[in-house]
Amino acid sequence: AQSVAQPEDQVNVAEGNPLTVKCTYSVSGNPYLFWYVQYPNRGLQFLLKYITGDNLVKGSYGFEAEFNKSQTSFHLKKPSALVSDSALYFCAVRVFNDYKLSFGAGTTVTVRA
Amino acid sequence: EAGVVQSPRYKIIEKKQPVAFWCNPISGHNTLYWYLQNLGQGPELLIRYENEEAVDDSQLPKDRFSAERLKGVDSTLKIQPAELGDSAVYLCASSPMGQETQYFGPGTRLLVL
Repeated sequence: AQSVAQPEDQVNVAEGNPLTVKCTYSVSGNPYLFWYVQYPNRGLQFLLKYITGDNLVKGSYGFEAEFNKSQTSFHLKKPSALVSDSALYFCAVRVFNDYKLSFGAGTTVTVRA
Repeated sequence: EAGVVQSPRYKIIEKKQPVAFWCNPISGHNTLYWYLQNLGQGPELLIRYENEEAVDDSQLPKDRFSAERLKGVDSTLKIQPAELGDSAVYLCASSPMGQETQYFGPGTRLLVL
C-alpha cells in the first residue's frame, strides 16, 4: 500500500520569508511524487513532479522540491513567499506501474503581508 | 489550451434524489479520472478510464454510483439515490496516455440535504 503524510495542517509565514511544506511518503518500489496547489473553489493545479534524475525539482511559480530517498521525503520550498501563495497544498505519490495517485490530507499555507 | 471542464459547479439536492456530473477532458487526453474530495482531505480515486474502458473502478460504490464514457471523450458520473454522506467535491482529471501528470478540473461541489 502507498501513502503520503503531510505532518503540518497549517503553515504560516511572512511575505518575503522562505516557505517549506513537508511531505513524507511510503511506497513499495520507486516513487513518482507530485505537488498540487488548490485555491478556494478551484480544482488542483499541478506544481511539479519528481520521476527520476536530479533530486532537486523546479516547478511553477518559483516553487521547488527536493526528493530525499533515505528520508522518504519530498518537501516543497519557495525561497521568498508571496501573499498570493496562500492556498491548500497537496503532496501525492504513485509508483511506476500503477496510475493510482495517493494524496496527503493537505497543508494550508497562509502568507501574511 | 482549454483545461478540464466540469459542470455543474455547484449542486444542491435532497437525499434520495439522483444527480449527475459531467466532465470534458483536455483534448487528446485518453485517460480520465473521477475523484471524490471530502472536506479537509485529499482526493480519492473513484474510477479511471482508458478511452472508453473503465480500467479501475475498484473504489466506486457500485450500489449507488455509476459512470460512463461512451465515446472515449467526455464522461458522466451519476449517483442514485444520493445520501447525506455524499456531500463532497467531485473532481475530474485527465492525462495523455502513458503520461504521469494528471490535470484537474474545477470540481462539482455537491450538497445533499
